[in-house]
Amino acid sequence: DSGVTQTPKHLITATGQRVTLRCSPRSGDLSVYWYQQSLDQGLQFLIQYYNGEERAKGNILERFSAQQFPDLHSELNLSSLELGDSALYFCASSPRGGEGGYNEQFFGPGTRLTVL
Amino acid sequence: GIQVEQSPPDLILQEGANSTLRCNFSDSVNNLQWFHQNPWGQLINLFYIPSGTKQNGRLSATTVATERYSLLYISSSQTTDSGVYFCAGRGGNMLTFGGGTRLMVKP
Repeated sequence: DSGVTQTPKHLITATGQRVTLRCSPRSGDLSVYWYQQSLDQGLQFLIQYYNGEERAKGNILERFSAQQFPDLHSELNLSSLELGDSALYFCASSPRGGEGGYNEQFFGPGTRLTVL
Repeated sequence: GIQVEQSPPDLILQEGANSTLRCNFSDSVNNLQWFHQNPWGQLINLFYIPSGTKQNGRLSATTVATERYSLLYISSSQTTDSGVYFCAGRGGNMLTFGGGTRLMVKP
């Protein structure tokens, strides 16, 4: 158990819908990262938040957005869902923002999203 | 961004055999991590190894940062070692993952 929790474990929805994925980081970690794992794209970084602020952006679509709340949990919002958004979405957390020093990332169990 | 290449892409071993997985980076990375993704999809941390050598039971890893590669050694493999092994390097704030090595250990 990495200490990172994600809900829900599975999500099945229809095209055009909107869903919210939730993540709680390990105790004491200030950074939260979101990744998408699909069969054709592999594991891809989406976005990072550090202590409530957006820190880095990767290959995140405009239909997707995220935020980190004062208690440091994070939510990833996916809207206007398409078939191609079906994937495993991981959240990870780390102690720091990435400025240097030890910053190991630990991953949650993931949310498997299926868009029908 | 950095490119991460893993080899081999697929590996089939008989239980008890040893293996070496390799990870090459296109540029310097600040951190390097190895993960095992089990058949249930969980990503399990194996090593955080920006440089040097670490050992954990039957697994060990070596990173030569100046030459931009890392190696993961699995000795006396067991069927529970099956799954996909990923290395990932941090360039900037994001972890960039390699394509993985899919390992199958046969009894």
